[in-house]
Amino acid sequence: EVQLVESGGGLVQPGRSLRLSCAASGFTFDDYAMHWVRQAPGKGLEWVSGISWNSGSIGYADSVKGRFTISRDNAKNSLYLQMNSLRAEDTALYYCAKGDSGSYYGDYFDYWGQGTLVTVSS
Amino acid sequence: DIQMTQSPSTLSASVGDRVTITCRASQSISSWLAWYQQKPGKAPKLLIYKASSLESGVPSRFSGSGSGTEFTLTISSLQPDDFATYYCQQYNSYLTFGGGTKVEIK
Repeated sequence: EVQLVESGGGLVQPGRSLRLSCAASGFTFDDYAMHWVRQAPGKGLEWVSGISWNSGSIGYADSVKGRFTISRDNAKNSLYLQMNSLRAEDTALYYCAKGDSGSYYGDYFDYWGQGTLVTVSS
Repeated sequence: DIQMTQSPSTLSASVGDRVTITCRASQSISSWLAWYQQKPGKAPKLLIYKASSLESGVPSRFSGSGSGTEFTLTISSLQPDDFATYYCQQYNSYLTFGGGTKVEIK
């Protein structure tokens, strides 16, 4: 059974940093791209970032480019999101999602975690 | 960037109704479109990929069609478990979602 478990969310002040983690199990992690998708309270879904199976290709939404960094550790079956210079508009539930292919570009999401809540507020 | 527009934003229907949700892309995305269902407090669930391919385990009352810029998700006979919000997502060029369609009880 595929499982994706996010952690690392919490309350953080504007301008500060936070690192999210996603522990994956139940599939061959290093065969697939992985993604972060967020959902602001009461709003729709927004793709944040994706990373290919071997970290060779990485992409970001314009809204987070230059502030967020995605990475993965295939030996630990883990995905990460380093979030710097956080803003109030980054407040959202952050989902870890498994891609259907090895490339993040041109991918859809066949499994999702339950999300970790990030609240940016002073 | 490719924009995805869903309509309607809210849909009121009864159990047994045939329901159709539309998703339009700002430019052609071929058949690179997925549909998701999300219930309150839960993660999204993949229903359809490549515009019309049903994900394993998804009931056959769900179907998808379309190509290019116009796509539809159809629920042939709405069941109580289907009241939820539905999102389309294009994966032709980067990854973008539609704004969602909430299917509520009439």
